[in-house]
Amino acid sequence: AQSVTQPDIHITVSEGASLELRCNYSYGATPYLFWYVQSPGQGLQLLLKYFSGDTLVQGIKGFEAEFKRSQSSFNLRKPSVHWSDAAEYFCAVASGAGSYQLTFGKGTKLSVIP
Amino acid sequence: GAVVSQHPSWVICKSGTSVKIECRSLDFQATTMFWYRQFPKQSLMLMATSNEGSKATYEQGVEKDKFLINHASLTLSTLTVTSAHPEDSSFYICSARDRARIRGSPLHFGNGTRLTVT
Repeated sequence: AQSVTQPDIHITVSEGASLELRCNYSYGATPYLFWYVQSPGQGLQLLLKYFSGDTLVQGIKGFEAEFKRSQSSFNLRKPSVHWSDAAEYFCAVASGAGSYQLTFGKGTKLSVIP
Repeated sequence: GAVVSQHPSWVICKSGTSVKIECRSLDFQATTMFWYRQFPKQSLMLMATSNEGSKATYEQGVEKDKFLINHASLTLSTLTVTSAHPEDSSFYICSARDRARIRGSPLHFGNGTRLTVT
Protein backbone atom coordinates (compact mmCIF):
# COMPACT_ATOMS: atom_id res chain seq x y z
CA ALA A 1 0.00 0.00 0.00
CA GLN A 2 1.17 3.50 -0.73
CA SER A 3 1.88 5.98 2.03
CA VAL A 4 3.12 9.53 2.45
CA THR A 5 5.09 10.99 5.33
CA GLN A 6 5.43 14.66 6.04
CA PRO A 7 7.89 14.78 8.94
CA ASP A 8 7.24 18.39 9.92
CA ILE A 9 3.89 19.14 11.53
CA HIS A 10 4.48 22.87 11.84
CA ILE A 11 7.08 25.17 10.33
CA THR A 12 7.56 28.87 11.00
CA VAL A 13 9.59 31.07 8.67
CA SER A 14 10.18 34.77 8.30
CA GLU A 15 8.74 36.58 5.34
CA GLY A 16 11.30 36.66 2.56
CA ALA A 17 13.12 33.58 3.80
CA SER A 18 13.40 30.40 1.79
CA LEU A 19 11.19 27.41 2.47
CA GLU A 20 11.46 23.67 2.09
CA LEU A 21 8.68 21.30 3.09
CA ARG A 22 9.61 17.65 3.23
CA CYS A 23 7.67 14.76 1.79
CA ASN A 24 8.63 11.10 1.64
CA TYR A 25 6.53 8.48 -0.08
CA SER A 26 6.32 4.73 -0.13
CA TYR A 27 5.14 3.11 -3.33
CA GLY A 28 6.35 0.13 -5.29
CA ALA A 29 6.06 1.50 -8.79
CA THR A 30 6.44 4.90 -10.41
CA PRO A 31 4.56 7.32 -8.19
CA TYR A 32 2.37 10.17 -9.26
CA LEU A 33 3.05 12.95 -6.77
CA PHE A 34 1.19 16.10 -5.87
CA TRP A 35 1.42 19.07 -3.56
CA TYR A 36 -1.77 20.79 -2.46
CA VAL A 37 -2.32 23.88 -0.31
CA GLN A 38 -5.30 24.42 1.98
CA SER A 39 -6.27 27.73 3.53
CA PRO A 40 -8.37 27.59 6.74
CA GLY A 41 -11.89 26.36 6.11
CA GLN A 42 -11.23 25.89 2.43
CA GLY A 43 -10.75 23.07 -0.03
CA LEU A 44 -7.46 22.12 -1.61
CA GLN A 45 -5.66 23.89 -4.41
CA LEU A 46 -3.15 22.07 -6.55
CA LEU A 47 0.31 23.63 -6.45
CA LEU A 48 2.12 21.21 -8.72
CA LYS A 49 2.32 17.59 -9.81
CA TYR A 50 4.90 15.11 -11.01
CA PHE A 51 4.09 12.31 -13.42
CA SER A 52 7.30 11.71 -15.35
CA GLY A 53 10.14 13.51 -17.12
CA ASP A 54 12.02 16.38 -15.58
CA THR A 55 12.40 15.74 -11.88
CA LEU A 56 12.24 19.44 -11.02
CA VAL A 57 8.66 20.56 -11.32
CA GLN A 58 7.50 24.14 -11.38
CA GLY A 59 4.15 25.06 -9.92
CA ILE A 60 1.99 28.04 -9.19
CA LYS A 61 2.74 30.85 -6.76
CA GLY A 62 6.49 30.44 -7.23
CA PHE A 63 6.66 26.93 -5.77
CA GLU A 64 8.75 24.10 -7.12
CA ALA A 65 9.37 20.51 -6.09
CA GLU A 66 12.06 18.00 -6.87
CA PHE A 67 11.44 14.30 -7.25
CA LYS A 68 14.30 12.16 -5.98
CA ARG A 69 13.66 8.50 -6.57
CA SER A 70 16.74 7.38 -4.64
CA GLN A 71 15.47 9.15 -1.55
CA SER A 72 11.76 8.53 -2.16
CA SER A 73 11.25 12.22 -1.66
CA PHE A 74 9.29 15.02 -3.26
CA ASN A 75 10.19 18.14 -1.30
CA LEU A 76 8.45 21.45 -1.92
CA ARG A 77 10.50 24.64 -2.10
CA LYS A 78 10.06 28.35 -2.48
CA PRO A 79 12.97 30.80 -2.56
CA SER A 80 11.17 33.68 -0.85
CA VAL A 81 8.07 33.19 1.27
CA HIS A 82 5.24 35.72 1.35
CA TRP A 83 2.85 36.23 4.26
CA SER A 84 0.02 34.96 2.05
CA ASP A 85 1.73 31.57 1.84
CA ALA A 86 0.70 30.78 5.41
CA ALA A 87 -1.52 27.71 5.08
CA GLU A 88 -1.56 23.93 5.40
CA TYR A 89 0.38 22.00 2.79
CA PHE A 90 -0.36 18.42 1.82
CA CYS A 91 1.77 16.03 -0.17
CA ALA A 92 -0.10 13.23 -1.91
CA VAL A 93 0.63 10.17 -4.01
CA ALA A 94 -1.56 8.39 -6.54
CA SER A 95 -1.10 4.86 -7.77
CA GLY A 96 -1.53 5.84 -11.39
CA ALA A 97 -2.58 8.54 -13.79
CA GLY A 98 -5.80 6.69 -14.41
CA SER A 99 -6.44 6.01 -10.75
CA TYR A 100 -6.26 9.32 -8.99
CA GLN A 101 -7.17 7.77 -5.71
CA LEU A 102 -4.91 9.93 -3.61
CA THR A 103 -3.19 9.09 -0.36
CA PHE A 104 -2.37 12.22 1.60
CA GLY A 105 0.30 12.99 4.12
CA LYS A 106 -0.75 14.47 7.46
CA GLY A 107 0.12 17.94 6.30
CA THR A 108 2.55 20.66 7.33
CA LYS A 109 1.23 23.90 8.71
CA LEU A 110 3.25 26.89 7.56
CA SER A 111 3.30 30.06 9.63
CA VAL A 112 4.97 33.20 8.29
CA ILE A 113 6.42 35.85 10.56
CA PRO A 114 6.19 39.37 9.15
CA GLY B 1 -9.91 26.25 -14.97
CA ALA B 2 -11.92 23.33 -13.75
CA VAL B 3 -14.22 24.20 -10.87
CA VAL B 4 -15.87 21.97 -8.32
CA SER B 5 -18.69 23.54 -6.36
CA GLN B 6 -19.64 22.10 -3.01
CA HIS B 7 -22.78 23.09 -1.15
CA PRO B 8 -23.47 23.98 1.55
CA SER B 9 -20.21 25.39 2.82
CA TRP B 10 -21.35 24.91 6.38
CA VAL B 11 -24.34 23.34 8.09
CA ILE B 12 -25.51 22.87 11.65
CA CYS B 13 -28.03 20.16 12.34
CA LYS B 14 -29.57 18.42 15.29
CA SER B 15 -28.61 14.92 16.30
CA GLY B 16 -30.72 12.32 14.54
CA THR B 17 -31.43 14.35 11.42
CA SER B 18 -29.97 13.82 7.96
CA VAL B 19 -27.85 16.21 5.97
CA LYS B 20 -27.19 16.23 2.23
CA ILE B 21 -24.02 17.67 0.74
CA GLU B 22 -23.77 18.34 -2.98
CA CYS B 23 -20.69 18.27 -5.14
CA ARG B 24 -20.91 19.62 -8.68
CA SER B 25 -18.37 19.85 -11.45
CA LEU B 26 -19.21 23.13 -13.13
CA ASP B 27 -17.28 23.08 -16.37
CA PHE B 28 -16.37 19.46 -16.90
CA GLN B 29 -17.88 16.03 -16.64
CA ALA B 30 -16.77 13.71 -13.89
CA THR B 31 -17.28 9.99 -14.05
CA THR B 32 -15.53 9.63 -10.73
CA MET B 33 -15.80 11.76 -7.63
CA PHE B 34 -14.16 11.21 -4.28
CA TRP B 35 -15.42 12.07 -0.82
CA TYR B 36 -12.97 12.87 1.95
CA ARG B 37 -13.34 13.60 5.61
CA GLN B 38 -10.95 15.81 7.49
CA PHE B 39 -10.79 16.03 11.27
CA PRO B 40 -9.30 19.15 12.89
CA LYS B 41 -5.58 19.43 12.24
CA GLN B 42 -5.59 16.08 10.46
CA SER B 43 -5.10 14.91 6.94
CA LEU B 44 -7.80 14.01 4.48
CA MET B 45 -9.15 10.50 4.78
CA LEU B 46 -10.81 9.00 1.76
CA MET B 47 -14.32 7.85 2.61
CA ALA B 48 -15.61 6.60 -0.71
CA THR B 49 -15.27 6.70 -4.46
CA SER B 50 -18.40 7.73 -6.28
CA ASN B 51 -18.90 6.35 -9.79
CA GLU B 52 -21.51 7.76 -12.13
CA GLY B 53 -24.33 5.33 -12.68
CA SER B 54 -23.07 2.68 -10.28
CA LYS B 55 -22.67 2.05 -6.60
CA ALA B 56 -20.05 3.87 -4.62
CA THR B 57 -16.99 2.09 -3.33
CA TYR B 58 -16.47 2.67 0.38
CA GLU B 59 -13.20 2.55 2.26
CA GLN B 60 -12.76 0.15 5.10
CA GLY B 61 -14.44 1.33 8.26
CA VAL B 62 -16.85 3.71 6.54
CA GLU B 63 -20.49 2.85 7.17
CA LYS B 64 -22.34 2.56 3.88
CA ASP B 65 -25.75 2.95 5.45
CA LYS B 66 -24.72 6.08 7.29
CA PHE B 67 -22.96 7.87 4.48
CA LEU B 68 -25.15 7.50 1.42
CA ILE B 69 -23.57 8.48 -1.87
CA ASN B 70 -25.43 9.07 -5.08
CA HIS B 71 -23.77 9.95 -8.39
CA ALA B 72 -26.75 10.22 -10.70
CA SER B 73 -25.18 12.41 -13.36
CA LEU B 74 -21.78 13.29 -14.76
CA THR B 75 -21.75 16.59 -12.92
CA LEU B 76 -23.32 15.83 -9.55
CA SER B 77 -22.54 13.60 -6.60
CA THR B 78 -24.27 13.84 -3.25
CA LEU B 79 -23.28 12.64 0.20
CA THR B 80 -26.06 12.21 2.74
CA VAL B 81 -25.13 11.81 6.36
CA THR B 82 -28.06 9.91 7.83
CA SER B 83 -29.10 10.07 11.46
CA ALA B 84 -26.21 12.37 12.21
CA HIS B 85 -24.52 12.32 15.61
CA PRO B 86 -22.05 14.72 17.17
CA GLU B 87 -19.16 12.42 16.27
CA ASP B 88 -20.02 12.97 12.59
CA SER B 89 -19.09 16.61 12.96
CA SER B 90 -16.23 17.17 10.59
CA PHE B 91 -15.07 18.85 7.41
CA TYR B 92 -16.18 16.98 4.31
CA ILE B 93 -14.47 17.62 0.98
CA CYS B 94 -15.29 16.27 -2.44
CA SER B 95 -13.06 16.04 -5.46
CA ALA B 96 -13.62 15.17 -9.09
CA ARG B 97 -11.68 14.06 -12.11
CA ASP B 98 -12.27 15.38 -15.60
CA ARG B 99 -13.37 12.41 -17.73
CA ALA B 100 -12.04 14.11 -20.85
CA ARG B 101 -8.53 14.22 -19.50
CA ILE B 102 -7.85 10.80 -18.11
CA ARG B 103 -4.10 11.23 -18.06
CA GLY B 104 -2.48 14.34 -16.77
CA SER B 105 -5.53 15.83 -15.15
CA PRO B 106 -5.34 16.27 -11.42
CA LEU B 107 -8.20 16.02 -9.01
CA HIS B 108 -10.14 19.22 -8.51
CA PHE B 109 -11.40 19.88 -5.02
CA GLY B 110 -14.47 21.59 -3.70
CA ASN B 111 -14.17 24.12 -0.89
CA GLY B 112 -15.51 21.69 1.66
CA THR B 113 -18.51 21.53 3.97
CA ARG B 114 -18.21 22.09 7.69
CA LEU B 115 -20.79 19.89 9.41
CA THR B 116 -21.63 20.50 13.05
CA VAL B 117 -24.07 18.17 14.75
CA THR B 118 -25.53 19.42 18.01
